[in-house]
Amino acid sequence: DAGVTQSPTHLIKTRGQQVTLRCSPKSGHDTVSWYQQALGQGPQFIFQYYEEEERQRGNFPDRFSGHQFPNYSSELNVNALLLGDSALYLCASSFGRGQWRQFFGPGTRLTVL
Amino acid sequence: KNEVEQSPQNLTAQEGEFITINCSYSVGISALHWLQQHPGGGIVSLFMLSSGKKKHGRLIATINIQEKHSSLHITASHPRDSAVYICAVEFTDKLIFGTGTRLQVFP
Repeated sequence: DAGVTQSPTHLIKTRGQQVTLRCSPKSGHDTVSWYQQALGQGPQFIFQYYEEEERQRGNFPDRFSGHQFPNYSSELNVNALLLGDSALYLCASSFGRGQWRQFFGPGTRLTVL
Repeated sequence: KNEVEQSPQNLTAQEGEFITINCSYSVGISALHWLQQHPGGGIVSLFMLSSGKKKHGRLIATINIQEKHSSLHITASHPRDSAVYICAVEFTDKLIFGTGTRLQVFP
């Protein structure tokens, strides 16, 4: 049984570009949450998707958007990249709306130059 | 001020020592989580608790809702326990994380 998978593992972009990160949840899970973790900091909640809709959102600008597909996989899109967007982006899955007992993916390390 | 504060920020120990990591929060929560993050980024959920105490192997987590405080204890620490331990609280449909405690256990 595969756990949560994320792609790509690492990514380098330049300021102003757009990026798409992908996440496949653990088998049987229907809820996906995304987090941003800057170096030396704890993760920051970006948003949570359930039933293909954004259900909760943290304090992130509209440049951060997402999508959940019918198979429960999810994408995180970031537009107009800033240097400060450089971070580890973590995806976590769980079963049920608003459930926080999550399994985390390995993360995608994004570097913005 | 962060809603979730952890102490200490860094901790070193000798193998076999008893470890305590503390977490204080300032908001009303529905549950608290302890997570472990190894170098490279992978996060593992250790405990979710809303009252009392939970134990799993050498790990013990306690929470005092009235005092808005939780502790994670590691008995008989081992070098493989070296990781960052993160406290997170469930608050108004969001999960708020502390900045983590970096633990290094030396043989």
